[in-house]
Amino acid sequence: SQTIHQWPATLVQPVGSPLSLECTVEGTSNPNLYWYRQAAGRGLQLLFYSVGIGQISSEVPQNLSASRPQDRQFILSSKKLLLSDSGFYLCAWRTGGPNTEAFFGQGTRLTVV
Amino acid sequence: AQSVAQPEDQVNVAEGNPLTVKCTYSVSGNPYLFWYVQYPNRGLQFLLKYITGDNLVKGSYGFEAEFNKSQTSFHLKKPSALVSDSALYFCAVRDRAGGYQKVTFGTGTKLQVIP
Repeated sequence: SQTIHQWPATLVQPVGSPLSLECTVEGTSNPNLYWYRQAAGRGLQLLFYSVGIGQISSEVPQNLSASRPQDRQFILSSKKLLLSDSGFYLCAWRTGGPNTEAFFGQGTRLTVV
Repeated sequence: AQSVAQPEDQVNVAEGNPLTVKCTYSVSGNPYLFWYVQYPNRGLQFLLKYITGDNLVKGSYGFEAEFNKSQTSFHLKKPSALVSDSALYFCAVRDRAGGYQKVTFGTGTKLQVIP
């Protein structure tokens, strides 16, 4: 069966520090991968998605970047965190078919102080 | 363009009563529609989806949803609410046209089941 791992679960970082959140998927190949941010426990904002290794689409220009160095690995990064980067970050995957549902990781609660 | 609206920020229902969480959508073609549930500080979990065929879709935990093309709606329902159903519910849509890789989520509806 397929599983998705996202870590860390919580993170407190000072303003100006770098960020690296990692997401890995097991039990499937060539998944579509997604990073979302959820602010104030409500709406989901799509940040990045990837349909293959090295292929990253950015939805919202901001202080973050994403990379996909391996088929089932998706990394969210920042060189210098801002206070506004605080939030709940969710990684998700789905197969490439248009009618397939997404499977989400457990999320990372990031607090920038 | 595709969009989805969840008009209620919060729905309160007594335990044992039927519940409805509303969702309307807008797509240029025909939709794929999804419902997800989120418990506090957790990721979203898939509940059910509408692809084609029967307008009434049954999913996990006794939930079902009815696709209504004329009203562009996909309301989530359950005949008898449980306290454990209290969570945040998200409706999502993907337009069938254009090989679109992205899904649009609604803003979420908080369901509170009162004992």
